[in-house]
Amino acid sequence: DQQVKQNSPSLSVQEGRISILNCDYTNSMFDYFLWYKKYPAEGPTFLISISSIKDKNEDGRFTVFLNKSAKHLSLHIVPSQPGDSAVYFCAARNPQGAQKLVFGQGTRLTINP
Amino acid sequence: EAGVAQSPRYKIIEKRQSVAFWCNPISGHATLYWYQQILGQGPKLLIQFQNNGVVDDSQLPKDRFSAERLKGVDSTLKIQPAKLEDSAVYLCASSRLAGGYEQFFGPGTRLTVL
Repeated sequence: DQQVKQNSPSLSVQEGRISILNCDYTNSMFDYFLWYKKYPAEGPTFLISISSIKDKNEDGRFTVFLNKSAKHLSLHIVPSQPGDSAVYFCAARNPQGAQKLVFGQGTRLTINP
Repeated sequence: EAGVAQSPRYKIIEKRQSVAFWCNPISGHATLYWYQQILGQGPKLLIQFQNNGVVDDSQLPKDRFSAERLKGVDSTLKIQPAKLEDSAVYLCASSRLAGGYEQFFGPGTRLTVL
């Protein structure tokens, strides 16, 4: 039962252009969404988050959009830089019980010079 | 502020052997998490501690996996006996508060079971 899905295993973008990573979820109870970035041989690092009561959150080059009716969120990176090459995971929080995070499978982003 | 520490970084064992992983969270973080990340998948929560108590272990295979967090600081995850399908990266994370907000991850332990 994959409650959080990232349907694109990989994405290749030219340096300076916009990168758009997508994430879909099935559980309408999720109340908080996060994006993590992971470099090889390192643990994931927190990037940006958004509450379910908002539809947009911006932090520098990174913007997350949430469409609750479509159960869809996306991460926009503008402009893309070579250092953005990494695996990106979206995660959603279930507010019930232990308030666990459920992660997607990840999307490998490659920024080409 | 020192990050989450994990050891060892890599471990290779044969099936049916035992293995243990250690994690030291960020100082002052009350909540500690162990995740299993199989290649090509996202991290899956195995167990969550709040101080030294277990908050959730619903996805921990308790017939072979065990974890403890004595004194509410560092933690150990053990697998006994290991199976081939246990090959994965085991990630430890911590957060100041419970509730699934921003979690800080360690570098992980890559386990290979032959």
